[in-house]
Amino acid sequence: DAKTTQPTSMDCAEGRAANLPCNHSTISGNEYVYWYRQIHSQGPQYIIHGLKNNETNEMASLIITEDRKSSTLILPHATLRDTAVYYCIVRVGAGGTSYGKLTFGQGTILTVHP
Amino acid sequence: NAGVTQTPKFQVLKTGQSMTLQCAQDMNHNSMYWYRQDPGMGLRLIYYSASEGTTDKGEVPNGYNVSRLNKREFSLRLESAAPSQTSVYFCASWTSGRVFSYNEQFFGPGTRLTVL
Repeated sequence: DAKTTQPTSMDCAEGRAANLPCNHSTISGNEYVYWYRQIHSQGPQYIIHGLKNNETNEMASLIITEDRKSSTLILPHATLRDTAVYYCIVRVGAGGTSYGKLTFGQGTILTVHP
Repeated sequence: NAGVTQTPKFQVLKTGQSMTLQCAQDMNHNSMYWYRQDPGMGLRLIYYSASEGTTDKGEVPNGYNVSRLNKREFSLRLESAAPSQTSVYFCASWTSGRVFSYNEQFFGPGTRLTVL
C-alpha cells in the first residue's frame, strides 16, 4: 500500500471549514484514498473514501487531484466534536489481496476551537 | 446491531501472566482484525483473519496468538505478557463487496491493557 504524508496538527475555528491535506505521491491506479478519524482514543471511525472522483457524504467531502498524488478532506462546518486525529490511508479496494487491512500513519490532530 | 464488541474494557496484568481478549461482531462480516495502538501512535496490525478458518500475521505479531472461533468471534491471546505489550487493543471487522458502503472497516471500543 502507498504511504501517505499528513501534517502533524491543524487548528480550525468552530463553524469554519476544516481542510485536511494528504500527500500520496506513490499511489497506484487500483488504490483508493480512505479517511478515518479517532476521537478521544475511541475506535477509529470511517469518514469517506474515493478513487479518482471527488466524493461527498453527510460527514465530509473528499477532493482528489487529477494526478491522484494528493487529496484534501473537507469538513464544511467544523464543530467542537470534530476535534480528533484524522488518518489518510491508501489501499486497494474491495476484492484486492489486501483483505481490507489498513496501514495507519500518525495522522493529523485537528483541534476545533470556539 | 451492537457492531463490534470487545471484552474486557480494561485489564491490568503482571509480567508473565496470560490473558485472552475477546471480540465479536454481529454484522456477518467475513474479515476480522486485531490492532494495537501505543501512545501518540497510529494503529498497527497484529493479526487478521480474512475469512472464517484462516488467520495471518500482520505487522507486529510477536508475542500474540489468535483464534477465529467462528464467523462472529476473533480472540487475541497473550501467552506471557510483557510490559512492552502495554497498549490499547482494537478489534475490527470488514467485508468485501461491490457496493462502496461495504468497504468501511468497523472498529470496537478498545481494550486498555497495562502490563506491570
